[in-house]
Amino acid sequence: RKEVEQDPGPFNVPEGATVAFNCTYSNSASQSFFWYRQDCRKEPKLLMSVYSSGNEDGRFTAQLNRASQYISLLIRDSKLSDSATYLCVVKAYSGGYQKVTFGTGTKLQVIP
Amino acid sequence: GAGVSQSPSNKVTEKGKDVELRCDPISGHTALYWYRQRLGQGLEFLIYFQGNSAPDKSGLPSDRFSAERTGESVSTLTIQRTQQEDSAVYLCASSPQRVADYEQYFGPGTRLTVT
Repeated sequence: RKEVEQDPGPFNVPEGATVAFNCTYSNSASQSFFWYRQDCRKEPKLLMSVYSSGNEDGRFTAQLNRASQYISLLIRDSKLSDSATYLCVVKAYSGGYQKVTFGTGTKLQVIP
Repeated sequence: GAGVSQSPSNKVTEKGKDVELRCDPISGHTALYWYRQRLGQGLEFLIYFQGNSAPDKSGLPSDRFSAERTGESVSTLTIQRTQQEDSAVYLCASSPQRVADYEQYFGPGTRLTVT
């Protein structure tokens, strides 16, 4: 089983739609969780951190379910500019250093 | 302020040649990471530096790959005897601390093409 798994998509959704992605992780000792966004042929950039209590930033909501070991990202009122690949990132302390694991990403295409 | 920079931005090399890729992290960032991303694929972890030491080299795909960091700043990724399967974008990222909550800041990458 991969340490971090994501549905690669693509998710093709119309403008204005709500779309949700999940990301599962295998290491129960994982401590920190993030969603990054990567535009085509660009470097990844932080979208938002994922807190235990869940967090919201405008149209984006991230949630963590430790019991089932997954995180989610919900995008409301999708815009064309949301088209990108969304990467799930999981961090865990192991052997005195932080191990960072990226998922392979979920591709979102918002259609006019 | 200045972000993570990488050089060269593009590198075309012949199979069998050695290449050096450079990363200048954000000043003061103690953690530095190298990743490889093949076309249409996800990020593949290569190596992690904390200061000048590399506690995790588990992602280096073969002994042709090596990396070093000096002065808790610049890092160089060296690929010896390049092969066509080494063609990819090599991304460097830095982070302020070893603490898990800090985000990684990525450089623009070096696009390596081995002909």
